[in-house]
Amino acid sequence: DAGVIQSPRHEVTEMGQEVTLRCKPISGHDYLFWYRQTMMRGLELLIYFNNNVPIDDSGMPEDRFSAKMPNASFSTLKIQPSEPRDSAVYFCASSPRRGASGELFFGEGSRLTVL
Amino acid sequence: QQQVKQSPQSLIVQKGGISIINCAYENTAFDYFPWYQQFPGKGPALLIAIRPDVSEKKEGRFTISFNKSAKQFSLHIMDSQPGDSATYFCAASDRGSTLGRLYFGRGTQLTVWP
Repeated sequence: DAGVIQSPRHEVTEMGQEVTLRCKPISGHDYLFWYRQTMMRGLELLIYFNNNVPIDDSGMPEDRFSAKMPNASFSTLKIQPSEPRDSAVYFCASSPRRGASGELFFGEGSRLTVL
Repeated sequence: QQQVKQSPQSLIVQKGGISIINCAYENTAFDYFPWYQQFPGKGPALLIAIRPDVSEKKEGRFTISFNKSAKQFSLHIMDSQPGDSATYFCAASDRGSTLGRLYFGRGTQLTVWP
C-alpha cells in the first residue's frame, strides 16, 4: 500500500483565498484524522472521522475551517477565507481501528503558507 | 489544557550517549502510551508503545519506562546515533472512551552529534 497520500505538499496563497487540502487514507482504515502542526502549539487534532462520519470536530479552530469525507477513500480540509495565522503543516492520518493498537499512519503533510 | 506534558523541548546528545525524554499526564483513564518519531519533512510514525500493566518495554535501543503511580513515562534511547536525530512525541489515550482520541505532547527535538 502507498500509505496515506496528501496533496498538495506545499501551498502558498494570499490572505482571503480559499484553500483545499486533500487526503487519501490507507485502504481499509476506518478512522481518518486531520492534524495541524505549528512550532507554538505542536500537533493539534482538528477533526476525525469514523466510517466517513465526523466524530469529534472540537479542535476545528473556527467556522472558516470545514472538513468532509464523502467516501472511504477521500477527505478534504477547507479553509475559507484563509488568514496568515493558518500557516502550518496539516497532516492527515488514518487508523485501522481505535481500540487494539491505536496506531496512526500519517501522510507527509501539506505545508500551507498564507501571505 | 495540555493533557500530556513533555520535556525537554530540545535535547542535544553526543553519539553513543543516552537520550531521555519525559512525559507526564493527569487523566488516570489513559491506558495506552505511544511514542512517535518524526523526521524533517515527514509525518510522525509510531516508534514504540506501552500499556499501563507493564513498567517497561524495550525494542532494540529504545525503552519506555512507565510509572503509573507518578503518572509519568519516559523514552530512553541507548547508544544514540546521528540517525536518531528527529522530533519525538509522546502521546496518551483512553481507548475505552467513546472518542478514544490520542493526546500528543508538544514534542522534543533531539540532535545527536557525531
